Amino acid sequence: NAGVTQTPKFQVLKTGQSMTLQCAQDMNHNSMYWYRQDPGMGLRLIYYSASEGTTDKGEVPNGYNVSRLNKREFSLRLESAAPSQTSVYFCASSADRVTEAFFGQGTRLTVV
Amino acid sequence: AQSVTQLGSHVSVSEGALVLLRCNYSSSVPPYLFWYVQYPNQGLQLLLKYTSAATLVKGINGFEAEFKKSETSFHLTKPSAHMSDAAEYFCAVSDRAGSARQLTFGSGTQLTVLP
Repeated sequence: NAGVTQTPKFQVLKTGQSMTLQCAQDMNHNSMYWYRQDPGMGLRLIYYSASEGTTDKGEVPNGYNVSRLNKREFSLRLESAAPSQTSVYFCASSADRVTEAFFGQGTRLTVV
Repeated sequence: AQSVTQLGSHVSVSEGALVLLRCNYSSSVPPYLFWYVQYPNQGLQLLLKYTSAATLVKGINGFEAEFKKSETSFHLTKPSAHMSDAAEYFCAVSDRAGSARQLTFGSGTQLTVLP
């Protein structure tokens, strides 16, 4: 089983460029999440989607947009990348809002 | 609002020694609690979870954690450390009521196992 798949695994952007991080899950989960991980700060929630067609802001949504394209896919877009967005991004999914989340392998993004 | 505090960003133990990683939480409602492990350059894997059944929860790889409501703690233990346990460990809390923010993570504890 693939579980949660993220693409790309690595990316380098120049300041001001845009890009979309892709995430897909094959577990028929309703809830999907985007987190960023920075040293010493754990994982911080960027956006959350409880079901297809719904999205909610998390702790650090500024500078990001998301799309829940269908039940399987949840993408994260950086419209104008900034060095402060250099981080490791994780997508996750769960069956509902209070069960454990399953994580992708992460996308390591560097903005120069 | 819920929150998680992990005491000690780095913990070192000798191989064969007891592993104790500390986690304290705050939540306005009875929480669900989780421990995740992250190996280098990988995503997070669930070690164990507490969902209001038994207060002593057993997970994978010989880890267990005890939910102590009076202390608002959910510390992770393993009787005998193995070299393969070296990783970063995250405690997370999720409240049970409907909320846009499901899992709140602690800042993580890096476990080093010394030969």
